[in-house]
Amino acid sequence: DTGVSQDPRHKITKRGQNVTFRCDPISEHNRLYWYRQTLGQGPEFLTYFQNEAQLEKSRLLSDRFSAERPKGSFSTLEIQRTEQGDSAMYLCASSLGGARNSPLHFGNGTRLTVT
Amino acid sequence: LAKTTQPISMDSYEGQEVNITCSHNNIATNDYITWYQQFPSQGPRFIIQGYKTKVTNEVASLFIPADRKSSTLSLPRVSLSDTAVYYCLVGSDNYGQNFVFGPGTRLSVLP
Repeated sequence: DTGVSQDPRHKITKRGQNVTFRCDPISEHNRLYWYRQTLGQGPEFLTYFQNEAQLEKSRLLSDRFSAERPKGSFSTLEIQRTEQGDSAMYLCASSLGGARNSPLHFGNGTRLTVT
Repeated sequence: LAKTTQPISMDSYEGQEVNITCSHNNIATNDYITWYQQFPSQGPRFIIQGYKTKVTNEVASLFIPADRKSSTLSLPRVSLSDTAVYYCLVGSDNYGQNFVFGPGTRLSVLP
């Protein structure tokens, strides 16, 4: 178990640019989640995949955000036309399918700063 | 959607037992109670989960009274490295829009 890996750890971009983050879940986990966290707040759910299917999207996820998990393994989260309000920590998590209360295993996040 | 309430912050000293209580008055029959720990610049880490009575693992204990309207996370003999934010969550699924992280409890362990 090598844990959930996220890349890059930090990203600084200018407003209006597009950014893409990558998440590699724990290899045997078929569920993958994206969260966003701002300073002093708990993580906010963005979206969830079971294998390659995106099953749930938060109302927080505007049309500038898109996530993919093409082969049911790694996932990417893209933000188009970034805004300063997108500055946050983006967290990925994975879990083992089966029980609905399987705990989430989080990566250490990608910190995005939009200038 | 079960809402949770927990203290914003707590202070303790090394070697003491710390109890963090979470209120969840609207907990549903199928809901579990789950606690996560988060250090700065890291993702949350699962600590413990329970449905009723008491659960204990190598890290913590979770006490849940019969009415399940609250729960208490107990950390025995804390050390400086236990300084973190602790989140209490309630839900029947451990994911999705209905599994909500609040602001958590910021625990500071002092020497």
